[in-house]
Amino acid sequence: QVQLVESGGGLVQPERTLRLSCPASGFTFSVYVMHWVRQSPGKGLEWMAGISSAGTNTFYADSVKGRFTISRDNSKSSLYLQMDSLRPEDTAVYYCARESISGNHGFDVWGQGTKVTVSS
Amino acid sequence: QSALTQPPSASGSPGQSVTISCTGTSSDIGRFNYVSWYQQRPGKAPKLLIREVTKRPSGVPDRFSGSKSGNTASLTVSGLQTDDDADYHCSSYAGSGRVVFGGGTKLTVL
Repeated sequence: QVQLVESGGGLVQPERTLRLSCPASGFTFSVYVMHWVRQSPGKGLEWMAGISSAGTNTFYADSVKGRFTISRDNSKSSLYLQMDSLRPEDTAVYYCARESISGNHGFDVWGQGTKVTVSS
Repeated sequence: QSALTQPPSASGSPGQSVTISCTGTSSDIGRFNYVSWYQQRPGKAPKLLIREVTKRPSGVPDRFSGSKSGNTASLTVSGLQTDDDADYHCSSYAGSGRVVFGGGTKLTVL
């Protein structure tokens, strides 16, 4: 069963750090490009970051560049998002997502999401 | 990178067709044939409906179809069913590894 399961969300104060994890199962994790996408309450989806299959290339939205770091450990079939200097506007449900194997930038597998609340 | 523009809401009666637009720029939708559409039900993760403008993943009914003209992509849902009542999101590749989403459209089946 193909599955992504995010964890690590919670309530955090502004300017603090949080690390999200997303272990994968049911597919060969190491061959897929992976992404993080978030959704603020009542809002649309917002792409955050992407990472190549080998982890050698990373890409970020301007809104998080320099504050968030995407990484992966293919030996553990896991994706991560290190979030530093968190702001109230980072409050959202964070999803990890798998990009289709054909590299068409469509996300064909999603986790259930983990909620992050940034508030003092 | 700016978000793609979608109408906040759309509606139709069972059996009818409805089309949802998604407007970008010449740097995203207009430049690449990598437009995707997602269906999202309340409290659930998005589900891929359309990839590469027109292609349906296996298991997606052919009532869902996609198209593109210039900087605007469209999702058409034909033969509306009550089960289609959900939020719909578009996305496009924007170059340099980046992806941009629209603001989402809430489809109400009356």
